[in-house]
Formats: sequence, structure tokens, C-alpha cells
Amino acid sequence: GESVGLHLPTLSVQEGDNSIINCAYSNSASDYFIWYKQESGKGPQFIIDIRSNMDKRQGQRVTVLLNKTVKHLSLQIAATQPGDSAVYFCAERVPGYQKVTFGTGTKLQVIP
Amino acid sequence: DTGVSQNPRHKITKRGQNVTFRCDPISEHNRLYWYRQTLGQGPEFLTYFQNEAQLEKSRLLSDRFSAERPKGSFSTLEIQRTEQGDSAMYLCASSLAREGEQYFGPGTRLTVT
Repeated sequence: GESVGLHLPTLSVQEGDNSIINCAYSNSASDYFIWYKQESGKGPQFIIDIRSNMDKRQGQRVTVLLNKTVKHLSLQIAATQPGDSAVYFCAERVPGYQKVTFGTGTKLQVIP
Repeated sequence: DTGVSQNPRHKITKRGQNVTFRCDPISEHNRLYWYRQTLGQGPEFLTYFQNEAQLEKSRLLSDRFSAERPKGSFSTLEIQRTEQGDSAMYLCASSLAREGEQYFGPGTRLTVT
């Protein structure tokens, strides 16, 4: 099948280790940020979101950190599993609009 | 399966032909979105509907593209006079509220030969 991860930056992580995926977002006016996971041949899947009035949000095995000063977003995945292998996209949204702008993806490869 | 569905999953067409894709959102979702994704890139926003009203359109949506959501349920995306540059995955998503997460369908892969 087609590869969503063609020519994308790749992060290789040993199974059980923690993963950190970074993203630089583009618009300082953005107030809502989302991380998506996309497996080959499938649409993106929501992982976690964060609003600009927060700097950290935790979910199940995932944590998102937001640094508005340097326009940086990160996704931390604890105890990475083979099923976490996918392409991960950060996305941002400006107030008043529904348009979501996706960043450059990162391919996560989990080594068993 | 109560997720977002898209049809067809794959479409191969010759340059110059018209194509139409369908998206069926999650039933109670009043917001619907279309995106386009090319290999190795993130999805690019095309347009957004709230119920039957088309409220946002990207500059990517040239005059050859038209989207409708006539009854506020399913939506269609039509591309007229297709060009090879239209080859991409066309993704549909839906959400329940303005701040709600968007649920994506599996996409329609268009190949223009």
C-alpha cells in the first residue's frame, strides 16, 4: 500500500522506551493545537489536543507540551508499543475559523 | 460501523473527466470538512460546512472544485476537468461542535492519468 510516511523525518524508538515528537507551529495567533496519528491507508486519528491557555495536558500514555514563546509543541508517548508506529502530525487552528493547518509529519518506527 | 465513510475508496480517471466523491459523516455531527493529502504531506484544508451552509473555503478550492451538503447530512465533492495535479487522497472529517475533535474517514484516493 501507499506510504503516508514517504520522505518524512523518522524517529526510531525501542519498544518500551518513551518517544518525544516535536513540532514547530507557524502562526502565533493559533489558540488550539491537536496531535493526530495516521497509519498507512487510513485517515488521521485524533490523539490529544491543547488550548493556548495551557502548557501541558496529559492523556492515556500521551502528554502534549506547548511552549508559545518559541511556538513549539511536543508529543510524549510513554512505554512506546509496536502499535504506535505511524506518522504523527501536529495541527493548529486560529480563533474564529474551523480550518485546521497540519504541520510536517514525523514517522515513528517502534523497534520490537 | 458508525464512523465517517467515504465512497469510492479509489478512483482512476483520465485527465479532463469529472469526478464526484461522497462523504457520510457520523450521524449526529453537524460539522463536515474536506481535506486533500498528497504523499508525504499533511492534509490540507479545502472547505467546511456547518449543517448545509458552506462557511469556509480554502484558496486551494479552485473554480473546478465544488462541494455541497444539501440536507446537512452527506456531502459531495466534485472536481471538473480533472488535471494530473489533482491526484491525491481526499479526506472527509466531521465533528459535533466547534471545539470538538474531527473524526476522519478513510479517504478517497484519486489518480488522474
